[in-house]
Amino acid sequence: AQKITQTQPGMFVQEKEAVTLDCTYDTSDQSYGLFWYKQPSSGEMIFLIYQGSYDEQNATEGRYSLNFQKARKSANLVISASQLGDSAMYFCAMRERNAGNMLTFGGGTRLMVKP
Amino acid sequence: NAGVTQTPKFQVLKTGQSMTLQCAQDMNHNSMYWYRQDPGMGLRLIYYSASEGTTDKGEVPNGYNVSRLNKREFSLRLESAAPSQTSVYFCASSEALDRVNQPQHFGDGTRLSIL
Repeated sequence: AQKITQTQPGMFVQEKEAVTLDCTYDTSDQSYGLFWYKQPSSGEMIFLIYQGSYDEQNATEGRYSLNFQKARKSANLVISASQLGDSAMYFCAMRERNAGNMLTFGGGTRLMVKP
Repeated sequence: NAGVTQTPKFQVLKTGQSMTLQCAQDMNHNSMYWYRQDPGMGLRLIYYSASEGTTDKGEVPNGYNVSRLNKREFSLRLESAAPSQTSVYFCASSEALDRVNQPQHFGDGTRLSIL
């Protein structure tokens, strides 16, 4: 079974609007961490935001926030006030304690911001 | 702010040739990783090194070897390159392997084509 599922291969959003990128995960571990990375067309992987399984509050980092619904096993990334520079691939990833804390990636979502 | 540095950035090889991808980090991290990213997919772990002096196989280790030269450097070697190894290779590092909340920081990647 897929550990991390990103069901949106591609999305468009209008500049200045908010957008939600979906991520669902599968784990039986109690201790795990969820990460989002951005990969622009230049290719580098940029760490955006982290949410721990025991965190009671949703993580926020500037314009990025994570909508964490533990019972549903979802960790959606919300980008507020989209900018043209947000156009990129976005990857959700998970580290599980019982899996040696290895990072497992989803297939990614390509976000395109329209002017 | 070098972070994780990978060399080379691009390489073209012929089938059967060997080469070594170099990676160095200046963040004093204990753990280092090698991933490959195939078109339209997330990253898959090839090998990792939890700490200086140790290396372990990841999800897709066949056809690769690694060396943790010292705390800073972690190299990936292709002994006899095959077209199936055409990919983008990423090196990453994190403070430690034993906590789920540690993000991994990535280099800019090496685009490797094998003809």
